[in-house]
Amino acid sequence: ETGVTQSPTHLIKTRGQQVTLRCSSQSGHNTVSWYQQALGQGPQFIFQYYREEENGRGNFPPRFSGLQFPNYSSELNVNALELDDSALYLCASSSGTLYGYTFGSGTRLTVV
Amino acid sequence: AQKITQTQPGMFVQEKEAVTLDCTYDTSDPSYGLFWYKQPSSGEMIFLIYQGSYDQQNATEGRYSLNFQKARKSANLVISASQLGDSAMYFCAMREGPRAGSYQLTFGKGTKLSVIP
Repeated sequence: ETGVTQSPTHLIKTRGQQVTLRCSSQSGHNTVSWYQQALGQGPQFIFQYYREEENGRGNFPPRFSGLQFPNYSSELNVNALELDDSALYLCASSSGTLYGYTFGSGTRLTVV
Repeated sequence: AQKITQTQPGMFVQEKEAVTLDCTYDTSDPSYGLFWYKQPSSGEMIFLIYQGSYDQQNATEGRYSLNFQKARKSANLVISASQLGDSAMYFCAMREGPRAGSYQLTFGKGTKLSVIP
């Protein structure tokens, strides 16, 4: 079975721009979560999608938004980029079991 | 208050020795799960071990074991027979619930483990 795939792996954007990050879930996983990991910190939960609906959100502003598609792949969109948005963005998919999370390798976003 | 506390920013261990990475947690939810992940420099979070709050026995997975002390709210990771490839960041995480469909994880700040030849 394939794992979680994220694209692109690296990205450089200018402050004020918009960015879209993509995640392909592991086969059979219907839940996807996004995390932001600033340098030297642990990941922080952004939001989660289950069957194309957002069903959980962390302490992130509305300019962070997402989508989940019928094939359970997902996008994270960030508008009006700020310098502090520079981080590793991780996607995790789950089949619904209590401990069945699989993470991707992340997208490293740099905002200049 | 922090929900997951990892007090060791960095640890060194000699190859083939055992090492314990500390994790304490804070929750009022009677049902929760505790996780340990390894993050090499490539960035991927690699699942190591899981302990449910109602599990009677400490979890083990190969060279990894979890020393779960519920009353003290600690969930320390023990790595036996350390290998050079164990050098990485290690994160403790907690899932509170389950609540319907919620799989949010709360992570600690991590411990950087360096294995010395």
